[in-house]
Amino acid sequence: SQTIHQWPATLVQPVGSPLSLECTVEGTSNPNLYWYRQAAGRGLQLLFYSVGIGQISSEVPQNLSASRPQDRQFILSSKKLLLSDSGFYLCAWSVPHRNTEAFFGQGTRLTVV
Amino acid sequence: AQKVTQAQTEISVVEKEDVTLDCVYETRDTTYYLFWYKQPPSGELVFLIRRNSFDEQNEISGRYSWNFQKSTSSFNFTITASQVVDSAVYFCALRPIIQGAQKLVFGQGTRLTINP
Repeated sequence: SQTIHQWPATLVQPVGSPLSLECTVEGTSNPNLYWYRQAAGRGLQLLFYSVGIGQISSEVPQNLSASRPQDRQFILSSKKLLLSDSGFYLCAWSVPHRNTEAFFGQGTRLTVV
Repeated sequence: AQKVTQAQTEISVVEKEDVTLDCVYETRDTTYYLFWYKQPPSGELVFLIRRNSFDEQNEISGRYSWNFQKSTSSFNFTITASQVVDSAVYFCALRPIIQGAQKLVFGQGTRLTINP
């Protein structure tokens, strides 16, 4: 069966510090991968998605970047965090070329102080 | 542009009551999928249902039921005989039926609290 792992679960970082959140998927190959952000009291916003290694699409301009160095690894990064980067970050995967649902990780709660 | 509206920010009911969560969507696509996800306090999103725009049949799964009405662009979710374990944030989502990345557009979510 397929599983998705996301870490860390919680993170408190000072303004201006770097960020690296990691997501890995097991039990499937060549998945579509996604990073969503959920700000406090708001819905989920798609930040990045990837349909293959090294292929990253950004949905909104922001202080963050994403990379996909391996087929089932998706990394969310920042060189210098802003207070506005605080939120709950969710990684998700879906089967490519299939009209199925997306499956989500456990999420990372990031607080920038 | 696509948009999903969940007008109910928070709902609080007493256990065993029935509760309906509203979802209204906007899209110019003629074919699309609609979803409901549950987000318990632990944070992960749990998939509940997927419905495509071709199929307007209502669906029932145990205490859960979904009412899809294309004429009013609504996809409402009803929990019958609610239980405390149903307490969570519920999200409605939309995406077109196309090839490529399956990008979801989410509503703002409805926080449901079931009181014992």
